[in-house]
Amino acid sequence: ETGVTQTPRHLVMGMTNKKSLKCEQHLGHNAMYWYKQSAKKPLELMFVYSLEERVENNSVPSRFSPECPNSSHLFLHLHTLQPEDSALYLCASSQDRDTLFINYGYTFGSGTRLTVV
Amino acid sequence: QKEVEQNSGPLSVPEGAIASLNCTYSDRGSQSFFWYRQYSGKSPELIMFIYSNGDKEDGRFTAQLNKASQYVSLLIRDSQPSDSATYLCAVNKETGNTPLVFGKGTRLSVIA
Repeated sequence: ETGVTQTPRHLVMGMTNKKSLKCEQHLGHNAMYWYKQSAKKPLELMFVYSLEERVENNSVPSRFSPECPNSSHLFLHLHTLQPEDSALYLCASSQDRDTLFINYGYTFGSGTRLTVV
Repeated sequence: QKEVEQNSGPLSVPEGAIASLNCTYSDRGSQSFFWYRQYSGKSPELIMFIYSNGDKEDGRFTAQLNKASQYVSLLIRDSQPSDSATYLCAVNKETGNTPLVFGKGTRLSVIA
């Protein structure tokens, strides 16, 4: 399997539930990202992992907890979410290059459509 | 001022026409510029990237960059109904692998 795979594709959860989103990349990339996409808003960066180390946490509430056990896997653990957290959650990966300026952009997964009820 | 601005549209063009999508950005230090296409209910897919001032062509797509004006555009020649989607402009500020900043996207509708 190639590319970036996200599971589940759809998730409905109550405000008291705990669930996890999973992302797996088969591209040999060393950086992974979580983005949130809500209607009529730009993609919002949530977390960045580069070489398995979290390098950015974009003021995300603590009810979202990321985990990156290795360069191919990324999780987003969810607990006590609010209805306004309903959105499309996108995982992406890229190749972090220390030299030169070349950035070839991200490869996105298919996303998890999350509904909090 | 928003970091990356796009007209949300919808932009409607007839089949076979040229669609012109525009994007402005606020950070003069921005180095890399990307256009993603997102079909409804799907994830964004990269269609073009550009680093240098001028034009870059790939098939029916041409990206244009003007760093002095902080402006990047995407032209789609011979537009097809299958080009109907939301087009996201993304910018990264520095060299290397800094996170991309996305615009809200422009919805394009190509009318058969």
